[in-house]
Amino acid sequence: QSALTQPASVSGSPGQSITISCTGTSSDVGGYNYVSWYQQHPGKAPKLMVYEVTNRPSGVSNRFSGSKSGNTASLTISGLQAEDEADYYCSSYTSSSNVVFGGGTKLTVL
Amino acid sequence: QVHLVQSGAEVKKPGSSVKVSCKASGGTFSRYAVSWVRQAPGQGLEWVGGIIPIFATANYAQKFQGRVTIIADESTTTAYMELSSLRSEDTAVYYCARVGSSWFFDYWGQGTLVTVSS
Repeated sequence: QSALTQPASVSGSPGQSITISCTGTSSDVGGYNYVSWYQQHPGKAPKLMVYEVTNRPSGVSNRFSGSKSGNTASLTISGLQAEDEADYYCSSYTSSSNVVFGGGTKLTVL
Repeated sequence: QVHLVQSGAEVKKPGSSVKVSCKASGGTFSRYAVSWVRQAPGQGLEWVGGIIPIFATANYAQKFQGRVTIIADESTTTAYMELSSLRSEDTAVYYCARVGSSWFFDYWGQGTLVTVSS
């Protein structure tokens, strides 16, 4: 199972919006609405930000939103803040009853 | 609130095995799957495998088939991951995580660093 494809890095200024893409296949991202997104700060465990493509867990800011079109899912962060600077990972359930992660995207807030 | 507490860091020789524990509290342990995810230094997240305690059935990423065993002890609400035939490439932080109904990881342990070195 190949990792999902994410851009290595994205950047934006405070207050701006950015979008991180996550491309898979019809056997994972395109086949199920089981895409989730995680934020990871250095030295910390990942934190769930979005699940089932569009849902936010309780306590996660509504500045974070998810979507999907075909085999590509996206995470949009609006109103960028300094504390959003982190690594972001997507994941998806697969037709092999496994989970596959994206390679990760480093977000820099300029 | 669910808490997952993992065992401490390990240093192992190549060819040996390591067993990492993950104790859950604050939730209904047997109802949810537990997965293990690892992260090599400076690298991304990689799913290792998982188990549903109430069914005691585990599934593993193909890459680790034959080398990894994941079990769960409902009486102590603890999950374990054992990885054998260790090599230097297995050096990583290993996380346990609770799996939500649609394969998302909503609670994570603090991570356990496993170092494989001669």
